[in-house]
Amino acid sequence: EAGVTQFPSHSVIEKGQTVTLRCDPISGHDNLYWYRRVMGKEIKFLLHFVKESKQDESGMPNNRFLAERTGGTYSTLKVQPAELEDSGVYFCASSQEELAGAYEQYFGPGTRLTVT
Amino acid sequence: AQKVTQAQTEISVVEKEDVTLDCVYETRDTTYYLFWYKQPPSGELVFLIRRNSFDEQNEISGRYSWNFQKSTSSFNFTITASQVVDSAVYFCALSDPTGANSKLTFGKGITLSVRP
Repeated sequence: EAGVTQFPSHSVIEKGQTVTLRCDPISGHDNLYWYRRVMGKEIKFLLHFVKESKQDESGMPNNRFLAERTGGTYSTLKVQPAELEDSGVYFCASSQEELAGAYEQYFGPGTRLTVT
Repeated sequence: AQKVTQAQTEISVVEKEDVTLDCVYETRDTTYYLFWYKQPPSGELVFLIRRNSFDEQNEISGRYSWNFQKSTSSFNFTITASQVVDSAVYFCALSDPTGANSKLTFGKGITLSVRP
């Protein structure tokens, strides 16, 4: 079974440009999460999809960030326009719905975004 | 608000030494889940363990063991007879139990270096 994949693995862009990150969750996982780790800080939650619906987007930093999950499969996270403070590693995770309420999230390798 | 503190930032040991990684958490919830993830140099976050707040039994898995103590709000991780392959960043995390499959709150991570 393929794990969570993310593309690209690394992106270097200039301030003001646009970047789109992609995440392919594990097949059959309804739950998809985006997290971000800025250098030296905690990994912080950005948002959570259940299928194609946004369940919780309380962690999105501002309206320069737009996440979509059309059809409930892969997800994209667009940053437009990018700022220096957006640099960091963006992780995607997915999990299967479990009746017991317990779960584990499977993480992808992350996309390292560098804004210069 | 939930919070996870990993006070140790970097630990360096010699192979075969035992090492304990500390994790202290804060939550007002009575039901929650605690996790440890490992991030090897390849970058992905690898799930190690999940523990729910009602189960205070310690767990052992090979060279890994976990000590969960609700009285001190701690969930410490011990690696016995460490190996070079254990070198990684280790994250402790806490779930927000607002419904199944919800977001994780992470600590800053502990960088473990195991020298041959």
